[in-house]
Amino acid sequence: KAGVTQTPRYLIKTRGQQVTLSCSPISGHRSVSWYQQTPGQGLQFLFEYFSETQRNKGNFPGRFSGRQFSNSRSEMNVSTLELGDSALYLCASSLAGLGSYEQFFGPGTRLTVL
Amino acid sequence: QQQVKQSPQSLIVQKGGISIINCAYENTAFDYFPWYQQFPGKGPALLIAIRPDVSEKKEGRFTISFNKSAKQFSLHIMDSQPGDSATYFCAASTYNDMRFGAGTRLTVKP
Repeated sequence: KAGVTQTPRYLIKTRGQQVTLSCSPISGHRSVSWYQQTPGQGLQFLFEYFSETQRNKGNFPGRFSGRQFSNSRSEMNVSTLELGDSALYLCASSLAGLGSYEQFFGPGTRLTVL
Repeated sequence: QQQVKQSPQSLIVQKGGISIINCAYENTAFDYFPWYQQFPGKGPALLIAIRPDVSEKKEGRFTISFNKSAKQFSLHIMDSQPGDSATYFCAASTYNDMRFGAGTRLTVKP
């Protein structure tokens, strides 16, 4: 069974630009969650999508958005990039959501904002 | 607001020793407590998890101890091996939220 894949693996952008990251979940998984990982703030939950609907959301500004397609693939968008958005962005898929469902993480996309 | 506090930040253990990482949570709504292991360049991977109605869970060399009244839980790695050297994250989740500890960098010396 193929794992969670994320593309691209590395990105370099400048302040003010926008970026789109992609996540392909494990086949059969309907939930995709996104997380931001930084040395200072650690791992933080961004949002979760299930059946093309954003079901849960963490405490991030509206510049961070996402969507999920009918095949469960998900994209995350960050607009008007700031230096502080430099981070490893991880997505995770699970059968049905957060809670007690095991989250399978992808390798992440390393975003650097200059 | 840091809802899950993890300690220590780093830990050095000799091969064969016991590694202990502790976590404390605030929100009593959390009902699932997983531990993740992360190697450099990789995403976190689930190691072991526990629900609050169980006080201890063991899987191989890894054991979670859970104290519901104290709102604390810990990971014990018995017979620690150099291959266990990684960053470990505790987490607490509900159906609509997931919070992580700050992580513990474990180094097991041969």
